[in-house]
Amino acid sequence: DTAVSQTPKYLVTQMGNDKSIKCEQNLGHDTMYWYKQDSKKFLKIMFSYNNKELIINETVPNRFSPKSPDKAHLNLHINSLELGDSAVYFCASSQGLTGGWAGELFFGEGSRLTVL
Amino acid sequence: SQQGEEDPQALSIQEGENATMNCSYKTSINNLQWYRQNSGRGLVHLILIRSNEREKHSGRLRVTLDTSKKSSSLLITASRAADTASYFCATAVSNDMRFGAGTRLTVKP
Repeated sequence: DTAVSQTPKYLVTQMGNDKSIKCEQNLGHDTMYWYKQDSKKFLKIMFSYNNKELIINETVPNRFSPKSPDKAHLNLHINSLELGDSAVYFCASSQGLTGGWAGELFFGEGSRLTVL
Repeated sequence: SQQGEEDPQALSIQEGENATMNCSYKTSINNLQWYRQNSGRGLVHLILIRSNEREKHSGRLRVTLDTSKKSSSLLITASRAADTASYFCATAVSNDMRFGAGTRLTVKP
């Protein structure tokens, strides 16, 4: 069984459209993340949820809206897609260490978004 | 914002040689982690070193941490062609994990 699975793996769409990426983890972790990796391989944190509550919300356009229906799922919805949104989006999960520090992250295989 | 910065950006070595990658960061951390990413794949965790540790080993991997210099290094000994990948350091600041831009390692057979 895949520990962190995200769908779809590839997404090609036109500017202005709305799209969603889904993520599920079966590891029982309490924290989930969305990261964006650009063409230069920079990996930037976007959001983090702990037990369904938003704890990290980086400077991301409000066209991006995460939703966590339960602690095993963290979905990402993007409105009014722009060319600059083209990237690989990674979902990850972790079980926090004592004291609330981030532990080992388990990543999904990524969702490559191409906006035309 | 980025936290870690890896150095060098790219490294090319022959099979059997050792590979050393460095990471510098800016703020106080709880732990530092190294990850590997094969082309087109997700990141895979390699090793975690806590802020009160100075060195850690895992198989052919050796990680050092110098909190006074805010730096870490990853050494891969006796490299193999299969070690070809990008390597990232990530720093834990509270429940937040910040990644550097990675080092692209190429191991030639």
